Amino acid sequence: AQKITQTQPGMFVQEKEAVTLDCTYDTSDPSYGLFWYKQPSSGEMIFLIYQGSYDQQNATEGRYSLNFQKARKSANLVISASQLGDSAMYFCAMREATISSGSARQLTFGSGTQLTVLP
Amino acid sequence: DAEITQSPRHKITETGRQVTLACHQTWNHNNMFWYRQDLGHGLRLIHYSYGVQDTNKGEVSDGYSVSRSNTEDLPLTLESAASSQTSVYFCASSEFRTAVGTEAFFGQGTRLTVV
Repeated sequence: AQKITQTQPGMFVQEKEAVTLDCTYDTSDPSYGLFWYKQPSSGEMIFLIYQGSYDQQNATEGRYSLNFQKARKSANLVISASQLGDSAMYFCAMREATISSGSARQLTFGSGTQLTVLP
Repeated sequence: DAEITQSPRHKITETGRQVTLACHQTWNHNNMFWYRQDLGHGLRLIHYSYGVQDTNKGEVSDGYSVSRSNTEDLPLTLESAASSQTSVYFCASSEFRTAVGTEAFFGQGTRLTVV
């Protein structure tokens, strides 16, 4: 079963508009972390934002915010005031805590959303 | 500044050849990972290591091996390269500070083509 699902292969947004990139996850672990990474056309992976499962407030980093809905197991990335430089592939990822699962300390990624910002 | 570097950045090899991709980090991180990136699949975990002499198989480990003889390096070896292993490979590292809270730092990636 997919642990991280990103249902939008591609998205378009007008410059200066806000955009939401969807991410849903599946885990039975009560302790986990959710991450968003940006991959521009140059190929590097850039960390954007992190949300812990026990965090009471939604994470924010500049123009990035994470809309965390724990009961729905969703962790959508919101980019406000889009810029041309935001055009990139965006990946949602999760790290689970349970050592016994064998998956602790490693990131599991979704398939990504290609965002294009239009001038 | 601490960093994580991969070499080579681009590699073309023939089917059946053994290939080794290098990964070197100066973060002094315990955890190191190898992922491959293919269109429609995101990044999938190949192998990972939690420390020196520790290696573990990931989701797509068949045909790959790693070794961890020191903290800084985790080379990835393709024992007998196949066309299905044409991909972009990323190395990453992270601290073992908390179970979930630290991000992974990625290398620049290696584009491998098997012909």
